Amino acid sequence: QSVLTQPPSASGTPGQRVTISCSGSRSNIGSNTINWYQQFPGTAPKLLIYSNSQRPSGVPDRFSGSKSGTSASLAISGLQSEDEADYYCATWDDSLNGQGVFGGGTKLTVL
Amino acid sequence: QVQLVQSGAEVQEPGASVKVSCKASGYTFNGYYMHWVRQAPGQGLEWMGWINPSTGATKYAQNFLGRVTMTRDLSITTSHMQLSGLRPDDTAVYFCARSVMGASTKFDFWGQGSLVTVSS
Repeated sequence: QSVLTQPPSASGTPGQRVTISCSGSRSNIGSNTINWYQQFPGTAPKLLIYSNSQRPSGVPDRFSGSKSGTSASLAISGLQSEDEADYYCATWDDSLNGQGVFGGGTKLTVL
Repeated sequence: QVQLVQSGAEVQEPGASVKVSCKASGYTFNGYYMHWVRQAPGQGLEWMGWINPSTGATKYAQNFLGRVTMTRDLSITTSHMQLSGLRPDDTAVYFCARSVMGASTKFDFWGQGSLVTVSS
């Protein structure tokens, strides 16, 4: 059972806007910034969004992130077939003497 | 360019230990924390801990306390993660990833992953 809660799946058609939620608590999302990762099968995760809403160089502006209270979300606009992947949220948790925590992941399907 | 190159796949018996290596290049090795994250087959990501290559200080996730040891060798810019008392449910791909800070999950570069299979 993951500390951060994500829906196991999401889907959309090309061109649509899709959002993926990530729910936590005061000790993690409520106290720290959130990062998002994109992972394709058999490969390492790739940093997609950091510090809640910042995009690393090279990440299209179709990807955006936001955070409010103890929840965060990743939005993908203008959905493309190559966006089909697993998406994970991650943050630091100040409980348990401090440790990193991930969401369970969301499998995005482009219909 | 920044690269994290990990050691190859391993098969270990239950109760044994495994040591996975992560060779860093293209940046100042002791300027970044090295974290370890694992992913069981078909499952999500699990944070295991970090090592500060500059000081050798470590921090481990609660789930791995007493079983995991992270070390580094500055002379060859390599980090190691050793997991002991292996169980079948430790079968996973183990990744190294770097961050600027310890208390962070902003990992901008990752290794390619090392598959560890625990089976008798």
